[in-house]
Order: sequence, then structure tokens, then C-alpha cells
Amino acid sequence: GAGVSQSPSNKVTEKGKDVELRCDPISGHTALYWYRQSLGQGLEFLIYFQGNSAPDKSGLPSDRFSAERTGGSVSTLTIQRTQQEDSAVYLCASSKNREEQYFGPGTRLTVL
Amino acid sequence: DQQVKQNSPSLSVQEGRISILNCDYTNSMFDYFLWYKKYPAEGPTFLISISSIKDKNEDGRFTVFLNKSAKHLSLHIVPSQPGDSAVYFCAASDGSSNTGKLIFGQGTTLQVKP
Repeated sequence: GAGVSQSPSNKVTEKGKDVELRCDPISGHTALYWYRQSLGQGLEFLIYFQGNSAPDKSGLPSDRFSAERTGGSVSTLTIQRTQQEDSAVYLCASSKNREEQYFGPGTRLTVL
Repeated sequence: DQQVKQNSPSLSVQEGRISILNCDYTNSMFDYFLWYKKYPAEGPTFLISISSIKDKNEDGRFTVFLNKSAKHLSLHIVPSQPGDSAVYFCAASDGSSNTGKLIFGQGTTLQVKP
């Protein structure tokens, strides 16, 4: 079956520009997570969506970061006024339960 | 603060031998632990997990051991195969949290030599 998909796979942008990253979770998965992996680091939790509940935004590093999940399915992570330190691989994951999360291939963001 | 630590950035083993990857954690509220494997340019894939009520879970060549008193877990791969070469991440989940968000270690790069 189809796994988690993310687009674009690569994004190069200039400092100060806004970017949008998209995630299509596995059908039927109610939970959706965003993580990011900076160079040489582990995955860092950003935000969590579960059904119609209020999202857990505790991992967002600044107010330049925001995310939406429309219709309980597709999610968009938006980074405004990008900075060089935002360069990382942004990973989306979905799950049916709180245990096994299935990850997409990620979006590699490079801010010049 | 790094709540989940993988102190060995890399490990190299010979094909057929055992690979042992280690992970330490500090948060006593963690009650579920997972190992993920990641190939370059791909997302992490789930490998094996263990609940804090167990001390061992086995799945084929992969076994995870949990020592709660030491706040330590390890992943054993026996026998190791060249296809196991990847980055392995240890992750933990806080049972008191409703989100199920995972806290990841920094990863260990395993190289299995033919």
C-alpha cells in the first residue's frame, strides 16, 4: 500500500523567503507528526496532530514555524522568513496508535 | 538536554558476527522504546520495539534488551549482514504524554563488512 509521501523532496531557498512543505499520511492514520533532522543530529520533534484535537506545538523552534492539517489528512509545514539554521531534513510520520510511526522520505531544505 | 543518548556515532562489524548498538536515557517516564533504521535519502523505518514492562523482545535476527534500573537499552543483530549497514536510531515515548511523540537519539552508523 501507499506509504507516507512528502513534497518537495528537495527545496533550496534564499534566506528570508517563506517555504511550504507538504505531507500526505497513510490513509486511515489519525496521528501525524513533523520532525526535523539537522546535520549530524537525531530527529527533533516539531508538532503533532491527532484527529480533531488541538495540535501539540511544543516542539516548534520559533513563531516562524507553523503547521496545518486539513480534513484530518494532508499537512503543510510553513516556515516564514527562513534562516540558514532552518536547513535540515524535515520528516513527516503518521500512525494509527502511539507506538509505530511510519515515516516519509523527508524534504531536504537548504537555506542559502 | 539530551534525554536519549547514543554515545557511539559509528560501529563496524564483520558479516556473520553480532552487532550491538547501545542507547541510554534519562527520563524515567519513558515507557516505550523503539529502534528505527535509516538508509541515506530515505525516511526511518521501524525495526523493533519494547514496552517497559518487558526486558527483552526478539524478532528474527533482531533482539532488543531493556535494563530499566540502568536506563539502558541495546539492539542485538545476529548474524549481521551487509544489508544491515545503515544509521540506527533509538527512540523513546513518554507514557504520561498524550501525544506519543518520540524522543530520538543521535543515531549510530553501522557498517557490516563482507
